[in-house]
Amino acid sequence: GQQVMQIPQYQHVQEGEDFTTYCNSSTTLSNIQWYKQRPGGHPVFLIQLVKSGEVKKQKRLTFQFGEAKKNSSLHITATQTTDVGTYFCAGQEDDKIIFGKGTRLHILP
Amino acid sequence: ETGVTQTPRHLVMGMTNKKSLKCEQHLGHNAMYWYKQSAKKPLELMFVYNFKEQTENNSVPSRFSPECPNSSHLFLHLHTLQPEDSALYLCASSHQTGLGGNIQYFGAGTRLSVL
Repeated sequence: GQQVMQIPQYQHVQEGEDFTTYCNSSTTLSNIQWYKQRPGGHPVFLIQLVKSGEVKKQKRLTFQFGEAKKNSSLHITATQTTDVGTYFCAGQEDDKIIFGKGTRLHILP
Repeated sequence: ETGVTQTPRHLVMGMTNKKSLKCEQHLGHNAMYWYKQSAKKPLELMFVYNFKEQTENNSVPSRFSPECPNSSHLFLHLHTLQPEDSALYLCASSHQTGLGGNIQYFGAGTRLSVL
């Protein structure tokens, strides 16, 4: 069955450093979504990527979808304390959506 | 406020109790979901309803029983749970389950503790 692997599981960075989380699917995806869950909160939708090789930016966040539509990445430039949380990718194949296990980001002041 | 409301926010129950979790969405969506979130499996899809019809049951034990009376309401009936069922139960909704319409809008969740 479809699997979505996400790495790393945890990441500690100094405030101001960059951060990247990677998502890999065992199958070709129709689209991929990214969500952020703050500590004690619930997942909140960030963005959806649909096209092969697509790159989208939201301020300091850059999202990429691989050419083969099997992998994706989220890159945060110059992290801030407000970036703390767990970032989930979710891949869709047909009508099924599968979440990765998430990357928990800790920011060291 | 995401437009998806879950009650109660916290629940403590014994293994012999029966309780229900409620979810209501005010977004005009047609699909609703139950997820279980624990340390071992961060976001585990349990059930999917599309236009009130159950379209997915991810091998969930029968002690969890979902009910979807209409597209705006979703319930999760709980009975004879086990301590390992303690987790955060998240409800979500989306326009539909198909391509282009399944962006998930989550509620705040119910934190369940089974004693």
